[in-house]
Amino acid sequence: QVTLRESGPALVKPTQTLTLTCTFSGFSLTTGEMCVSWIRQSPGKALEWLARIDWDGDKYFSPSLRTRLSISKDTSENQVVLTMTNVEPVDTATYYCARLFTRVGVEDYWGQGTLVTVSS
Amino acid sequence: DIQMTQSPSTLSASVGDRVTMTCRATQSVDTWLAWYQQKPGKAPKLLIYKASTSGSGVPSRFSGSGSGTEFTLTISSLQPDDFGTYYCQQYSSYRTFGQGTKVEIK
Repeated sequence: QVTLRESGPALVKPTQTLTLTCTFSGFSLTTGEMCVSWIRQSPGKALEWLARIDWDGDKYFSPSLRTRLSISKDTSENQVVLTMTNVEPVDTATYYCARLFTRVGVEDYWGQGTLVTVSS
Repeated sequence: DIQMTQSPSTLSASVGDRVTMTCRATQSVDTWLAWYQQKPGKAPKLLIYKASTSGSGVPSRFSGSGSGTEFTLTISSLQPDDFGTYYCQQYSSYRTFGQGTKVEIK
């Protein structure tokens, strides 16, 4: 059974760095074709893809956020960490992590999401 | 950037109706197109990928079609549990989502 769970701060101040952790089970990032993506959704808005890390360490970022994002994995802990620097109120959103199996090509299992509010 | 436009933005239909919604891309995405269903407060659920391939466990009443820049999601017989917002996603170049079509049950 594939499960993912996001964790991190509920409130972050503007200009701070946001660190989110995705803890997953039911698959391994040491297995070929497995990847984890991060997607966010601002309140009442559409979905926005942020970043992805693959089993082989390849990383991909949204062009519009590339300079502010980093992503890493800890295969022993089955975790993926997303970091976003210099956050602003417009970064207030529910952040989701999701599994991507490259044979499917899209995110097929998602976590429940974690709401992050950026406010002073 | 490839932009995705969905129509209509809201759709109201009765149980048993055939429902169709459209997603258009600003440039060809071949068949690298997925559809998700999202209910309030929940994560999106994968319905369709590769434009017409059903996700695991997805009821057969959901079907997708199209290629290039125009795509369609059809619900052959709307059920009460089908309320929610439906998003298309292109994955030809990075990933972008449409703004969603909200389905309401009359």
